Amino acid sequence: GDQVEQSPSALSLHEGTGSALRCNFTTTMRAVQWFRKNSRGSLINLFYLASGTKENGRLKSAFDSKERYSTLHIRDAQLEDSGTYFCAAEAGGSGSWQLIFGSGTQLTVMP
Amino acid sequence: EAAVTQSPRSKVAVTGGKVTLSCHQTNNHDYMYWYRQDTGHGLRLIHYSYVADSTEKGDIPDGYKASRPSQENFSLILELASLSQTAVYFCASKQGDTLYFGAGTRLSVL
Repeated sequence: GDQVEQSPSALSLHEGTGSALRCNFTTTMRAVQWFRKNSRGSLINLFYLASGTKENGRLKSAFDSKERYSTLHIRDAQLEDSGTYFCAAEAGGSGSWQLIFGSGTQLTVMP
Repeated sequence: EAAVTQSPRSKVAVTGGKVTLSCHQTNNHDYMYWYRQDTGHGLRLIHYSYVADSTEKGDIPDGYKASRPSQENFSLILELASLSQTAVYFCASKQGDTLYFGAGTRLSVL
């Protein structure tokens, strides 16, 4: 099965509200990154975590390697937050490691 | 097993000099990527390519050029290296949702 399970696949929020995205891992991962796909299709790095939590503006992310999950919380959502969000988990050792992506969450923020 | 080989593994360059980082994959993957990683930060995409003889800009392409002369090879070129380009550089090829990375090149610009 998939090593990285991301949910939900789609999410609709009204401006000013918040919610959380989640990624579950089937095995222990070394670190996790959260990305947002921009209008050009490139992935913008939002967070990189090897453990614990990080916060940046209205976004907050947590990673628990032991419990095998990571979350991305969005608060006070704005229209410009709409887009596709991906988590990606690091697996493997030095010299031969992988970055495994979740399937993405399509976020739509409505007025 | 998927194999991505980077060279050199480390390099010291002088400011204003030209640096070429090489990447070779034996996976026959179409997509290849160059990322940089700075201490305490995640990967940031510099350039990528989905077919030989074609490259695309990533999120932070300024100061870098890329070359994909063949399916197997993807180079990252710093024409005029600067202090801010000191970082670890990773090459990757992609299959499905999984990126396969090389071991990285540690570049120090002095």
